[in-house]
Amino acid sequence: KQEVTQIPAALSVPEGENLVLNCSFTDSAIYNLQWFRQDPGKGLTSLLLIQSSQREQTSGRLNASLDKSSGRSTLYIAASQPGDSATYLCAVNAGGTSYGKLTFGQGTILTVHP
Amino acid sequence: NAGVMQNPRHLVRRRGQEARLRCSPMKGHSHVYWYRQLPEEGLKFMVYLQKENIIDESGMPKERFSAEFPKEGPSILRIQQVVRGDSAAYFCASSPPPLGSKGAKNIQYFGAGTRLSVL
Repeated sequence: KQEVTQIPAALSVPEGENLVLNCSFTDSAIYNLQWFRQDPGKGLTSLLLIQSSQREQTSGRLNASLDKSSGRSTLYIAASQPGDSATYLCAVNAGGTSYGKLTFGQGTILTVHP
Repeated sequence: NAGVMQNPRHLVRRRGQEARLRCSPMKGHSHVYWYRQLPEEGLKFMVYLQKENIIDESGMPKERFSAEFPKEGPSILRIQQVVRGDSAAYFCASSPPPLGSKGAKNIQYFGAGTRLSVL
């Protein structure tokens, strides 16, 4: 059974810092991994998706890496801003007979203060 | 292109009543997924549907819960005889059909959710 863990559970940083969010998964046989952000009382916004054959994906100030063999992914946020404050979720798609079923971590609550 | 639409946004039911949650996928998307987020817990997969077909319902509770995605109209998640433990945020996501093994992706786009409160 796939389990996804995110560390840290919460993070508070001053504006302008570069930061790293971590995600680990127990079964390395994944199809892809997706990073989301969730704002309070809102839905999820997809940030980046990394296919199992890829090592990283970049979008603006965000960079996500994937090390499938060690069961890890990191989300790097450069030059953080108060608008980045949200919960960041990592989700794994195992593919195969579980294709379409995302397994989520508990999330990292990020607060960026001015 | 409108995003995934869920309604209602908030739903209040008394114990024993039925709850119907609706989800209209993004245009061109034929795959729908339902997830539940219980208070202080992470998102949990419930069911994956295509038009007129349930693909994976491994996350659905065995009783009182059902889901459908008819040929016409939105996907419906139905909860019969609700109990207080059903209080949660229910999210729907949609994706286009898989493109095949090469370059295939399964980016799921989420709606804003329906927050169900059972009194």
